[in-house]
Amino acid sequence: ETGVTQTPRHLVMGMTNKKSLKCEQHLGHNAMYWYKQSAKKPLELMFVYNFKEQTENNSVPSRFSPECPNSSHLFLHLHTLQPEDSALYLCASSHQIGASYNEQFFGPGTRLTVL
Amino acid sequence: RKEVEQDPGPFNVPEGATVAFNCTYSNSASQSFFWYRQDCRKEPKLLMSVYSSGNEDGRFTAQLNRASQYISLLIRDSKLSDSATYLCAVKVFGNEKLTFGTGTRLTIIP
Repeated sequence: ETGVTQTPRHLVMGMTNKKSLKCEQHLGHNAMYWYKQSAKKPLELMFVYNFKEQTENNSVPSRFSPECPNSSHLFLHLHTLQPEDSALYLCASSHQIGASYNEQFFGPGTRLTVL
Repeated sequence: RKEVEQDPGPFNVPEGATVAFNCTYSNSASQSFFWYRQDCRKEPKLLMSVYSSGNEDGRFTAQLNRASQYISLLIRDSKLSDSATYLCAVKVFGNEKLTFGTGTRLTIIP
């Protein structure tokens, strides 16, 4: 399935590195999301974008910086991360904000390890 | 109390059996409900939305009980391929945030 793609699929980085995660959706959706999934924890919403505008920041530390140049692309820029930031980072998209059943579809995720 | 709670399992069920999971939510303003399945080291995939009247998709039936604030998922005639973690997700009216449970691990045994 290629509805929502993410690159890279795996990333290992040091605490002083700067890297970016990329997400692209081919579903014609208008809303995009970043989630974090850590072991033994539920998925945590990080950011929401609707028509390129950020509509939600779920108290995410500033070392995570999202960017949404258009409705099809979403980036997550990473800098000076901590080992506890190691997790699976998932991108999702949905048709539109505001609909009661606004199903979200996920990409395959980037498995991030911070050394 | 957690916003969304699920029994983590594991549920080990023989092939062909029927299995059911519940998911409770704490916010009475919750409006939309979903079941996702997640295979090991893969992304969550939408299994079905859960509507007020309940809905069925093949071997899968989802129900919503607003009075008791839970949703349920019933799997009939379970297959080996049903082995996965089942996540419930809840959305509150006026908020785009999907709140997920930690998931219920299901293993179907041959």
